[in-house]
Amino acid sequence: KQEVTQIPAALSVPEGENLVLNCSFTDSAIYNLQWFRQDPGKGLTSLLLIQSSQREQTSGRLNASLDKSSGRSTLYIAASQPGDSATYLCAPVSGNTGKLIFGQGTTLQVKP
Amino acid sequence: EAGVTQFPSHSVIEKGQTVTLRCDPISGHDNLYWYRRVMGKEIKFLLHFVKESKQDESGMPNNRFLAERTGGTYSTLKVQPAELEDSGVYFCASSRQDSPKNYGYTFGSGTRLTVV
Repeated sequence: KQEVTQIPAALSVPEGENLVLNCSFTDSAIYNLQWFRQDPGKGLTSLLLIQSSQREQTSGRLNASLDKSSGRSTLYIAASQPGDSATYLCAPVSGNTGKLIFGQGTTLQVKP
Repeated sequence: EAGVTQFPSHSVIEKGQTVTLRCDPISGHDNLYWYRRVMGKEIKFLLHFVKESKQDESGMPNNRFLAERTGGTYSTLKVQPAELEDSGVYFCASSRQDSPKNYGYTFGSGTRLTVV
């Protein structure tokens, strides 16, 4: 059974800092892994999708890496801004079932 | 391209009442999924449609929950009768037929259900 853990659970930083959010999963048999962002009271916005054969994906100030064999992914946020404040969710897609399995998320607050 | 649309955005009902949530997936997306997040827990899978057929309903908590997708377009999730523990945010997602491997999922904004 796939289990996903995200560390830290919460993070508060001043504007401008570079951040690393961590995600670990127990079953390496995944199709891909998605990082999502959830703003309070809103839905999930897809940030990055990394295929199981890829090592990393980049979009703007975001960079996600994937080490499938060790069951780890990281989301790197460069030069954080107050608008980055949200909950970040990591979700691998199970290779057996095709389902997204979510972690509890990391709640980020970037202070001006 | 319109996104995944869910309504209502919020619903407050009394215990024992019935509520129906609706999801309109992205046009042409054969795969439709329901997930939910209850207070303090992670988002969990409920069920998966491929067109109008239920592919996997292993996450449905009990027989008070009924999901349908008539005609393979929009889907409804009915809770009858609602209990306090059903409170949470219900998300719908859709993906193309050859997804989620290649294209991932697109989520709706969710329906926040409160049972009092």
